[in-house]
Amino acid sequence: EDKVVQSPLSLVVHEGDTVTLNCSYEVTNFRSLLWYKQEKKAPTFLFMLTSSGIEKKSGRLSSILDKKELFSILNITATQTGDSAIYLCAVERTGGNTGKLIFGQGTTLQVKP
Amino acid sequence: KAGVTQTPRYLIKTRGQQVTLSCSPISGHRSVSWYQQTPGQGLQFLFEYFSETQRNKGNFPGRFSGRQFSNSRSEMNVSTLELGDSALYLCASSSPGGYVEQYFGPGTRLTVT
Repeated sequence: EDKVVQSPLSLVVHEGDTVTLNCSYEVTNFRSLLWYKQEKKAPTFLFMLTSSGIEKKSGRLSSILDKKELFSILNITATQTGDSAIYLCAVERTGGNTGKLIFGQGTTLQVKP
Repeated sequence: KAGVTQTPRYLIKTRGQQVTLSCSPISGHRSVSWYQQTPGQGLQFLFEYFSETQRNKGNFPGRFSGRQFSNSRSEMNVSTLELGDSALYLCASSSPGGYVEQYFGPGTRLTVT
């Protein structure tokens, strides 16, 4: 059965720290891996990764995918209290399953001042 | 460009009743996916509609159904509500073709008493 596993499930850091969130997957017919940030309501899109080894970067956030080892990491440098949220990793498959995302459990990040 | 909108935002129903939730995708997006989010199960895929046709379906009972209209708006219906149906229901839209991310709406918080 296809699955996406995130670790850690929760994390507490202080402002200025750097954090690394992990996402591993066992999915047939992999198409893409996506990262979302969910604060109080809807998840907001962060990154989509389709190729191994190519880092995607947006400000203090960056992410990379390893399709051989079947995992991705999301890095946040110089964390701020506004980074406190649930970070969701999801995998999309090819073919008839395009459009259907399989989500991990999420990592709850709390950044303390 | 306006985002994904969902109505209503909050609902309280009693067991045995039925409910209909609505989702309006981003203009130009033709694919709409529905997800259920609960603290215990995380985000789980319900179904996806594209051009008024259900293209994918998750592992939910037949009480959960949906449809899509010619303007890409989608509705989700849950009949014979159970306490366990209490959840945040999210819809996401995307423009099919290539690698495209899904954009989520704010969700409908359904409470079944």
